[in-house]
Amino acid sequence: GAVVSQHPSRVICKSGTSVKIECRSLDFQATTMFWYRQFPKQSLMLMATSNEGSKATYEQGVEKDKFLINHASLTLSTLTVTSAHPEDSSFYICSARDWSVGGNEQFFGPGTRLTVL
Amino acid sequence: EDKVVQSPLSLVVHEGDTVTLNCSYEVTNFRSLLWYKQEKKAPTFLFMLTSSGIEKKSGRLSSILDKKELFSILNITATQTGDSAVYLCAVDGAGSYQLTFGKGTKLSVIP
Repeated sequence: GAVVSQHPSRVICKSGTSVKIECRSLDFQATTMFWYRQFPKQSLMLMATSNEGSKATYEQGVEKDKFLINHASLTLSTLTVTSAHPEDSSFYICSARDWSVGGNEQFFGPGTRLTVL
Repeated sequence: EDKVVQSPLSLVVHEGDTVTLNCSYEVTNFRSLLWYKQEKKAPTFLFMLTSSGIEKKSGRLSSILDKKELFSILNITATQTGDSAVYLCAVDGAGSYQLTFGKGTKLSVIP
């Protein structure tokens, strides 16, 4: 199957700093990528849909000014958590859809665990 | 609003047992239902189901969809400790191929 990478895998930062997470599709082009957040023992919650070359679509309750998404190329989307606070500590996962395969098989990155002190 | 309900939320079985995990859904403009296995990191894809009554199989795992009754089951036969994980069900409904996830079933297989 297609491979999606995320970097970094783990980040610890101080409150008030900004953190950038990269999501790359390694062997296919992804016009659409998705960003999820998962709190401990909870399911994945979709935060936003990232579209190459256009603005991201955010889910209700997700602050677009706090979670900046950029999808500048067909293989890279970035999520920047601005002015991070301890309540932003979570597991952030991206996924990408390989349109050439057909259907809606989404391939997930390995996730980034963010801890804000 | 799309909704996915999985049951049971957790399950403990002995190695060798067979388990059935359930997923029911309400979704606008259903396109597909997907099963994922999540261990410590991100989910890994298991199955995608689009048509009723056609069983998908991979080794000891199999899954089937009933679009009339709006549910799917995931079966695991001869369970092994390596099957211990959270199994997530997701549906793809209206919109730009977004997935709505259920809360997952935590399966623990003990020796």
